Amino acid sequence: EDQVTQSPEALRLQEGESSSLNCSYTVSGLRGLFWYRQDPGKGPEFLFTLYSAGEEKEKERLKATLTKKESFLHITAPKPEDSATYLCAVQVGGSRLTFGEGTQLTVNP
Amino acid sequence: ETGVTQTPRHLVMGMTNKKSLKCEQHLGHNAMYWYKQSAKKPLELMFVYNFKEQTENNSVPSRFSPECPNSSHLFLHLHTLQPEDSALYLCASSGKPSGTTDTQYFGPGTRLTVL
Repeated sequence: EDQVTQSPEALRLQEGESSSLNCSYTVSGLRGLFWYRQDPGKGPEFLFTLYSAGEEKEKERLKATLTKKESFLHITAPKPEDSATYLCAVQVGGSRLTFGEGTQLTVNP
Repeated sequence: ETGVTQTPRHLVMGMTNKKSLKCEQHLGHNAMYWYKQSAKKPLELMFVYNFKEQTENNSVPSRFSPECPNSSHLFLHLHTLQPEDSALYLCASSGKPSGTTDTQYFGPGTRLTVL
């Protein structure tokens, strides 16, 4: 059974304090790993897709990396507006995305 | 309108009511999805449609009935729901037929409360 585990469950940072979120997965034949950001009461907002180990993608203060067992979302010098829940999902076959439970990030000014 | 829209944004219904959720995508995509998001639980895929045809039903109770009249519109008809069905219902769409790796774009969701 495909499994996605995100850690930590919650993370509090001071503005400017860089850190990383982890998404570890156990799947057979990864076709893609997705990162989304979700604000309270809203739908997930797409951030990145990673397809193969060693791949990296960046967007503003965010950088996503992928290995054969896990993905990291690095947040450099975060700002309060980066506060949100970050979701990781994997696609193995068909259209099914298997999501983790998310990491709730709070950035204090 | 751009992206994926959902109406209503909030819905309160009794267990004997019948209501419908609507989703519309303005992205020219071919596949549409319904997800359920409950508190402290991962998103759960409910249904998948490709080119108006249902291709996946994730063992969803029959009190949830999807309808996809065309590639741009998706409905979720609700009847005789239970309080445990209270959740955020999310619609998503993607540009390729299911079975290929492609990004799913989500709507804002409908917050459903069943009394």
